[in-house]
Amino acid sequence: GAVVSQHPSRVICKSGTSVKIECRSLDFQATTMFWYRQFPKQSLMLMATSNEGSKATYEQGVEKDKFLINHASLTLSTLTVTSAHPEDSSFYICSARVPLTDSYNEQFFGPGTRLTVL
Amino acid sequence: GESVGLHLPTLSVQEGDNSIINCAYSNSASDYFIWYKQESGKGPQFIIDIRSNMDKRQGQRVTVLLNKTVKHLSLQIAATQPGDSAVYFCAEKRTSGSRLTFGEGTQLTVNP
Repeated sequence: GAVVSQHPSRVICKSGTSVKIECRSLDFQATTMFWYRQFPKQSLMLMATSNEGSKATYEQGVEKDKFLINHASLTLSTLTVTSAHPEDSSFYICSARVPLTDSYNEQFFGPGTRLTVL
Repeated sequence: GESVGLHLPTLSVQEGDNSIINCAYSNSASDYFIWYKQESGKGPQFIIDIRSNMDKRQGQRVTVLLNKTVKHLSLQIAATQPGDSAVYFCAEKRTSGSRLTFGEGTQLTVNP
C-alpha cells in the first residue's frame, strides 16, 4: 500500500523560532498533498492543499505567511511554521493523494508530527 | 456548513461486545464516506468506506451503514477487542474533488 512518512515525529521549539516539517510519499509520486492540524481531543482540520509546482491553496482562516508550504518535488512537501508561538502547538498531519487510482480512497496519511512551542 | 469537531464523545465497551459508533454528516452533496481509526499519537488509518449509492458495506469485523435521508453514518465493530481502542473518525467527500471533511470523532475504550 501507499506509505507516507513525516519528519520529525516530535519537535519542541522556543517561541519565535521557525520549524519545518517534512511529508514524503515513499512509494508513489504525489502531485497533491494535504496538511491538517489536530488539537487535543478534536478532529482533523484541513489547513491547506499542496500542489507540486504551484502555490498551495489555504483554507479560510489559515495564515499563508505563517504556515509556509513548499511542494518542490513529487514526493516531498514541507510545512514551515514561522515565528511559532505556544498556540501553534498541535499535531500536524499530512496526507498524500495517490494519482490515477480507481479507488475513491485516494488519500494516505502520514504518522503526524507533534509540535510543542515553549 | 461543515462538520467541525468541538468535543470528543466517548464509548466504553466490554471486550467481546459489539460496538456501534455514529456520525452525522452535514453536506448532502457528499457521495463518498470513510471511517478512520486513529491511535494515540498516530495518523488516521483507513478502516472501511462506502459510496452514497449503497446503504451497507461489510468488512472484516466491521460494517458501515449509511442513511442518506437523515445524513447519518455508523460503524459497527463485532467482537470488539482491546486493540480496537482508539478514536474513530468519519470523513466525507465529493467524488468530484479530493477534499476530505472529518467528523468530530469518537473515543472507543475497550475494557478487558
